[in-house]
Amino acid sequence: LAKTTQPISMDSYEGQEVNITCSHNNIATNDYITWYQQFPSQGPRFIIQGYKTKVTNEVASLFIPADRKSSTLSLPRVSLSDTAVYYCLVGDIPGSGSARQLTFGSGTQLTVLP
Amino acid sequence: NAGVTQTPKFRVLKTGQSMTLLCAQDMNHEYMYWYRQDPGMGLRLIHYSVGEGTTAKGEVPDGYNVSRLKKQNFLLGLESAAPSQTSVYFCASIRGLADNEQFFGPGTRLTVL
Repeated sequence: LAKTTQPISMDSYEGQEVNITCSHNNIATNDYITWYQQFPSQGPRFIIQGYKTKVTNEVASLFIPADRKSSTLSLPRVSLSDTAVYYCLVGDIPGSGSARQLTFGSGTQLTVLP
Repeated sequence: NAGVTQTPKFRVLKTGQSMTLLCAQDMNHEYMYWYRQDPGMGLRLIHYSVGEGTTAKGEVPDGYNVSRLKKQNFLLGLESAAPSQTSVYFCASIRGLADNEQFFGPGTRLTVL
């Protein structure tokens, strides 16, 4: 299983850009990097996925350096409603035949302060 | 579309009782998953299914059984509940291998006394 390391918690203020870095030193060639967001008492919600370089969608950007041993989720101008746990996953989806299945670590608790 | 729904939302069991959790999706997704989440921890995969009639074990399958008789439904069974199975259970689905985005249900909070 691909192991990831993230900060346990982060604080930010409304309107700031937040960068959450995830370390995944044993990432394999076929592994994708996926980020999920989870609010209390809800299931996780997909945010973004990438393989290399930079990926951007309407809610976030994902930066992946050339060696792919880490990745950074960037949330522009956060608001109070972005307070949640953010999970970084590396691997392939269960059932794909890959032994490197996506696993959820403990995540990063982001708290946005007013 | 309702997406992924789970029944029931809450349940309290006594040790040794049995129950079935139902997951239903209306998106015609091929892959379905059952996870458990314990306090302060990430999700751990219990069982999954890559299509109707097929199931496979995940990371923590002991004490659970599953069935996928219909494509839209994925059932998780506890034959003899134990306090260690107190957790929040999430179901998820994916359209197929070309799409890695998992859609999660709202969860079932299970307490085993």
